[in-house]
Amino acid sequence: EPEVTQTPSHQVTQMGQEVILRCVPISNHLYFYWYRQILGQKVEFLVSFYNNEISEKSEIFDDQFSVERPDGSNFTLKIRSTKLEDSAMYFCASSDTRVQETQYFGPGTRLLVL
Amino acid sequence: KNEVEQSPQNLTAQEGEFITINCSYSVGISALHWLQQHPGGGIVSLFMLSSGKKKHGRLIATINIQEKHSSLHITASHPRDSAVYICAVMNNNAGNMLTFGGGTRLMVKP
Repeated sequence: EPEVTQTPSHQVTQMGQEVILRCVPISNHLYFYWYRQILGQKVEFLVSFYNNEISEKSEIFDDQFSVERPDGSNFTLKIRSTKLEDSAMYFCASSDTRVQETQYFGPGTRLLVL
Repeated sequence: KNEVEQSPQNLTAQEGEFITINCSYSVGISALHWLQQHPGGGIVSLFMLSSGKKKHGRLIATINIQEKHSSLHITASHPRDSAVYICAVMNNNAGNMLTFGGGTRLMVKP
C-alpha cells in the first residue's frame, strides 16, 4: 500500500540553525500538509499546499517557515532560524482531493532544538 | 475558531469490552476525521465522516451534525487497540485545515 515517507526520523539542531524536513507524499496525491505536535499537546495545522502554492496556513506558520515542492516527489518544510519552542514532532500528510478526503500521514520527524 | 473537545481524556478497559470515545465541536464542519496515534507517534487515519455512520471491522464511527457530536466505538476491544484516538474537524469555511481534539488515551488490558 502506498505511504507517505518522511526524513529524517529524528533531528537535533542548535537554536538559530536552519532545518529542512523532507516528505515524499503518495505519488498521485495533489494536496500536501504539514502539522506539528509539541510534546504532550494537540496536533496543530501549519500549512496546506496545492498546485505549487500555499492554499492555507495557520498563525503558527510565520516568516520563519517556508514550504517547497522542489521536484515532482519531495515536499519540504524549512525552518529558517530555529527556536527552542520549535521542538516538536512534525507530520507531513497528503490527500487526493481538497475536502472531504482522507489525509494520509507520514511517520513524523522529531525535531529537538537545543 | 472551532473548539474540539474529546472525552474521556484517558480510558482503561478490559479486553473484550465495548468502548466509546466522544468528540464535540463548536462550529459547523464539512467533515470529521478519527485518527489513531500509536505509542511511537505515527498517525493513521481511521475514518472520515460528513454524515451518518461508518464501520470498518470492529470500529464504528457516528456523527450527528445537528448536535455537533461524533462517537467512535470499538467492539470486542483488544490490547492492540491501545493507542491515542484523535478527533479532527474540517471547518466549513476553512478549506482543508484540520482542527484537532486533545486525544483520548486508551489502554486495553488483557
